[in-house]
Amino acid sequence: AQSVTQLDSHVSVSEGTPVLLRCNYSSSYSPSLFWYVQHPNKGLQLLLKYTSAATLVKGINGFEAEFKKSETSFHLTKPSAHMSDAAEYFCVVSVLMDSSYKLIFGSGTRLLVRP
Amino acid sequence: DAGVIQSPRHEVTEMGQEVTLRCKPISGHDYLFWYRQTMMRGLELLIYFNNNVPIDDSGMPEDRFSAKMPNASFSTLKIQPSEPRDSAVYFCASAPTVTYEQYFGPGTRLTVT
Repeated sequence: AQSVTQLDSHVSVSEGTPVLLRCNYSSSYSPSLFWYVQHPNKGLQLLLKYTSAATLVKGINGFEAEFKKSETSFHLTKPSAHMSDAAEYFCVVSVLMDSSYKLIFGSGTRLLVRP
Repeated sequence: DAGVIQSPRHEVTEMGQEVTLRCKPISGHDYLFWYRQTMMRGLELLIYFNNNVPIDDSGMPEDRFSAKMPNASFSTLKIQPSEPRDSAVYFCASAPTVTYEQYFGPGTRLTVT
């Protein structure tokens, strides 16, 4: 079965400290992986994507993620949190199954940034 | 490009009424997706189209829901009859291919009383 697990529903950090949002996936196929961010009352915006090229992927706003096949993980990191990073983050897997693509969303992680 | 456009932004209706949500994808994008987001269930993919053809509608909750894409620049999601449990934010997204970045619209907040 294909699935995505975001290990933390909420993460709270202080401004200027590192951010780690965890994502594990289960897939029998070679997946494409994405991280999206959703600010309050907004649609989702792509932060970064992995599509079988470099395993360390750099995204917008200083975020990056590393694809680790052996650990089936795709954790999102940022060296220094900014107040504007407070939002909800979704890990997403795109998997080809039965000749159509399935998009599987994680349950989301809400990032709180303390001043 | 103006991005993905959804209308209306807010819709309040009474139970039993028909509701139609509209979406205009980004020009040149071959894929269009409809999602529903609620606190209880999170973000759910309802259906997606490729070149105006529905590819996967396994996420459509029941027969009260229907989606169409009559041409490359317009899609509708219809709920008939609506029920209070349909209250949610409905997002439309488009993409040049299904594995590429999806561009989301601002969403339609639907409230069914």
